[in-house]
Amino acid sequence: DTAVSQTPKYLVTQMGNDKSIKCEQNLGHDTMYWYKQDSKKFLKIMFSYNNKELIINETVPNRFSPKSPDKAHLNLHINSLELGDSAVYFCASSQFQTDTQYFGPGTRLTVL
Amino acid sequence: LAKTTQPISMDSYEGQEVNITCSHNNIATNDYITWYQQFPSQGPRFIIQGYKTKVTNEVASLFIPADRKSSTLSLPRVSLSDTAVYYCLVGDMGGGGNKLTFGTGTQLKVEL
Repeated sequence: DTAVSQTPKYLVTQMGNDKSIKCEQNLGHDTMYWYKQDSKKFLKIMFSYNNKELIINETVPNRFSPKSPDKAHLNLHINSLELGDSAVYFCASSQFQTDTQYFGPGTRLTVL
Repeated sequence: LAKTTQPISMDSYEGQEVNITCSHNNIATNDYITWYQQFPSQGPRFIIQGYKTKVTNEVASLFIPADRKSSTLSLPRVSLSDTAVYYCLVGDMGGGGNKLTFGTGTQLKVEL
């Protein structure tokens, strides 16, 4: 069974479009995250979220918004896509206040 | 915000011990140190975590000096399958996601 899953695995789209990436975890964790990994492999946290609080990295543009329909899902919506948004996006989850995170397989986003 | 620094790359041969050091001079009292391994086209995977002194599990050891301003991941007797990028993560999960800081990652290449 896949612990953290993401869809789609690949996403190719045009500048200006709006797109979503879905994430689901079946680990019963309280906290979920979104990370962006650029072409140089730098891994930067974008959001962390549990059922009580959303923590936003202040460097993330407001075109990016996480939406959580329930504790097992944290989707990432991106509006008005730009070329610089091209990257691999990883979802992760953990039990709140423990440090071990479980990552999904990633979604490679390409903006043309 | 604890900034971390790692060597960009390291080379080794099968059967050798590999030590990868992460510098985190501004580590806070509540911060833990966690190491992750990432293979191409996969999400990072947890290796080991520690707060101080030495931690050992079935795959690695983590050495943390008393001042906690650095940490060393030790991989005993590496094999070709250990070729991957290794990330050092310093942060306080309980304080919120925006305090998590991944290192730049160290590309380890293991050869015969």
